[in-house]
Amino acid sequence: QSALTQPPSASGSPGQSVTISCTGTSSDVGGYNYVSWYQQHPGKAPKLMIYEVSKRPSGVPDRFSGSKSGNTASLTVSGLQAEDEADYYCNSYAGSNNLIFGGGTKLTVL
Amino acid sequence: QITLKESGPTLVKPTQTLTLTCTFSGFSLTTSGVGVAWIRQPPGKALEWLALIYWDDDKRYSPSLKSRLTITKDTSKNQVVLTMTNMDPVDTATYYCAHRPWGAKASNWFDPWGQGTLVTVSS
Repeated sequence: QSALTQPPSASGSPGQSVTISCTGTSSDVGGYNYVSWYQQHPGKAPKLMIYEVSKRPSGVPDRFSGSKSGNTASLTVSGLQAEDEADYYCNSYAGSNNLIFGGGTKLTVL
Repeated sequence: QITLKESGPTLVKPTQTLTLTCTFSGFSLTTSGVGVAWIRQPPGKALEWLALIYWDDDKRYSPSLKSRLTITKDTSKNQVVLTMTNMDPVDTATYYCAHRPWGAKASNWFDPWGQGTLVTVSS
């Protein structure tokens, strides 16, 4: 199973909105509503931001939202803030008890 | 408060077996729905899921590494152990353990994660 496809980089100015895509196939992203997103600052452990496509854990700002259309899931960060600058990874169930991650997207706040 | 911490060797030689321990607190691996996963990240690269063990001792492995991995739990010690055989320099990575809170077994999301431990494979 190949990794999910994410753009290597994304950027936006403070206050703007940015959307990061995560493209898979009908065997993973498109087949299940089991996509999660993680934020990782340099030298730190990943942090859960979204689970089951669009659910936000307690404590995660509502500026972060998730969605899915077909084989592509998306993470949108609204009202960009400096502290949002980080790497973001998507993850999906891929059937047959397998989980796969995306290649990661480096978000830069200009 | 849930915490997890990975421990094990920082340096292993090629062909050796790696044994990592995840010691956790704030939850029990006997609670229905709960699990602990291992995920790794080579320097400068993406995350890769390795293995997951559930409260009922059900175990799942990455298909590409299944032959080399074993995950076990010791509920009395609040520990999960991962062994990986036949280590190679390409296995150099930070290894994380993470808490799987609840849900259908296909719905796996991890929160929180341990701080990670860097394992270098070199002769």
